[in-house]
Amino acid sequence: DSGVTQTPKHLITATGQRVTLRCSPRSGDLSVYWYQQSLDQGLQFLIQYYNGEERAKGNILERFSAQQFPDLHSELNLSSLELGDSALYFCASSGPGTRGTGELFFGEGSRLTVL
Amino acid sequence: AQSVSQHNHHVILSEAASLELGCNYSYGGTVNLFWYVQYPGQHLQLLLKYFSGDPLVKGIKGFEAEFIKSKFSFNLRKPSVQWSDTAEYFCAVNAPRDDKIIFGKGTRLHILP
Repeated sequence: DSGVTQTPKHLITATGQRVTLRCSPRSGDLSVYWYQQSLDQGLQFLIQYYNGEERAKGNILERFSAQQFPDLHSELNLSSLELGDSALYFCASSGPGTRGTGELFFGEGSRLTVL
Repeated sequence: AQSVSQHNHHVILSEAASLELGCNYSYGGTVNLFWYVQYPGQHLQLLLKYFSGDPLVKGIKGFEAEFIKSKFSFNLRKPSVQWSDTAEYFCAVNAPRDDKIIFGKGTRLHILP
């Protein structure tokens, strides 16, 4: 158990819909990262927050947004869903002592299926 | 922009065979390098890391990796694999103090008993 909790584990929805994925980082970790894993693209970096502020942005679509709340949990919002958004979405966290060092602790992922 | 290439997408080996998984990165400056592993049904976890110093780093479960700066490579090795090494392996890179961590597409390793 990494200490990072993601909900829901599985989600099935239809095209055009909107979903919210939730992540609780390890106790004491200030950074939260979101990644999308698909068969053809591998593990794609989406966005990263540190103590409530956006710090780094990757290949995140405009239809996607995220935020980190004062209690440090984070949510990834996916809207106007398309078939191609079906993927495994991972959250990872790192602590103050590991910021910028790449030592991430991953959750088990949320598997999104868009029909 | 940083990028990571893993040459082998799928590798099949028999137990006791030697393993080498290739990883090349693209970045002009100093980097931190990592290998993460995802065992079936489990979350990704850190296997080993390189920050500085000895370019040969040792990780858990008998894995090691060698940083060759001139080749921009960080290949993962294990002298003798076991069935329990069946997993997906990801190489990752970031610049020190940089918040963006880039992963390769992963290599699925299947060990035949």
